[in-house]
Amino acid sequence: GENVEQHPSTLSVQEGDSAVIKCTYSDSASNYFPWYKQELGKRPQLIIDIRSNVGEKKDQRIAVTLNKTAKHFSLHITETQPEDSAVYFCAASRWSSASKIIFGSGTRLSIRP
Amino acid sequence: DTGVSQNPRHKITKRGQNVTFRCDPISEHNRLYWYRQTLGQGPEFLTYFQNEAQLEKSRLLSDRFSAERPKGSFSTLEIQRTEQGDSAMYLCASSFNRAGENSPLHFGNGTRLTVT
Repeated sequence: GENVEQHPSTLSVQEGDSAVIKCTYSDSASNYFPWYKQELGKRPQLIIDIRSNVGEKKDQRIAVTLNKTAKHFSLHITETQPEDSAVYFCAASRWSSASKIIFGSGTRLSIRP
Repeated sequence: DTGVSQNPRHKITKRGQNVTFRCDPISEHNRLYWYRQTLGQGPEFLTYFQNEAQLEKSRLLSDRFSAERPKGSFSTLEIQRTEQGDSAMYLCASSFNRAGENSPLHFGNGTRLTVT
């Protein structure tokens, strides 16, 4: 079945440094890859998404890259700030059929002051 | 707030009891999803609806779990004969999906179930 692997499970970076979270997916038909941020006790919220027709997308300090051949995509956060501390989830699905979205197991990001 | 609404926020029940959760999606969204999340894990897919039709149910879901969306608006998730392993956060999400036009998932705040 479909599977999304995410690593690392925990990540601690100095404030101002960059953070990178990586995911791989198993379903070669996946073409939509959202990233969600979940703060403690709150709902997951979409922060950025990418479709397979592009290799990279950027929104201010957040960027996502996609390598369809390797079935690999990554989240990059630059100039990290304390409010970036949260759990981040990658996910994959088939956008055209808008079927179920499969999530990774999450990365707990901590920003050290 | 016109986001996804879930009730109750918390539910504590004894093993063997039945529980039912409710989800009210964003009004114009035609798709509704149920996910389960345990501590330190990502949301695990349970089932989803397109309007009132249940399109897919996870193979991991036991027969004790049932979901309905009778009028294509709100949905209920029932767990019969609860077990301690059912303790988790149950998340509902909704989206708008039409040929060539899809929106991302919007999650509710979840219902936290504790089975004692």
